[in-house]
Amino acid sequence: QITLKESGPTLVKPTQALTLTCTFSGFSLSAGEVGVGWIRQPPGKALEWLALIYWDDDKRYSPSLKNRLTITKGTSKNQVVLTMTNMDPVDTATYYCAHRLYSGFHTFDYWGQGTLVTVSS
Amino acid sequence: DIQMTQSPSSLSASVGDRVTITCRASQSISRFLSWYQQKPGKAPKLLIYGASTLQSGVPSRFLGSGSGTDFTLTISGLQPEDFATYFCQQSYSTSDTFGQGTKLEIK
Repeated sequence: QITLKESGPTLVKPTQALTLTCTFSGFSLSAGEVGVGWIRQPPGKALEWLALIYWDDDKRYSPSLKNRLTITKGTSKNQVVLTMTNMDPVDTATYYCAHRLYSGFHTFDYWGQGTLVTVSS
Repeated sequence: DIQMTQSPSSLSASVGDRVTITCRASQSISRFLSWYQQKPGKAPKLLIYGASTLQSGVPSRFLGSGSGTDFTLTISGLQPEDFATYFCQQSYSTSDTFGQGTKLEIK
């Protein structure tokens, strides 16, 4: 059974960096043909794709945010870390991580519950 | 970026109705299109991937179709639990994009 869970601060100040961790179980990021992605959703708004890392360390970023994002595998084999620099109030959102199938049509088939991050001084 | 345009943005329907939501890509994405259902306060749930393949456990009243740039999600015989927001997503390019969502409300 695949599960994912996001963790990190619930409140960050403007200009600070945000670091979120996705801790997962039920699959291995080193096993091949899988990835973990990050998606966010401001309150009442649409989903926004942020970044993705594959088993082979291939990394993808949203073009509009790539200068602020870094995605890495965590020190634990079952973690992926997303860092976003220079946070602004418009970055207030629920942040989700999700399991990505590389084969087939590259869908996100399992999602974490999400974590709400508020950016405010 | 590939832009995904979803319509309508909101829709009112009754239990038992059939509804169709459309998603248009700004360029061809083959069949790299997924549909998700999201209820308030919950994570999105995968319904359909590859434009038309039903995710395991999803009721057969959900039907996806299309390829290239034009896609549809049809829900037949609406059930009370189907009232939610629906998003399309393309995964063809090196960066994914989502549609802006369609909120399906009870009439």
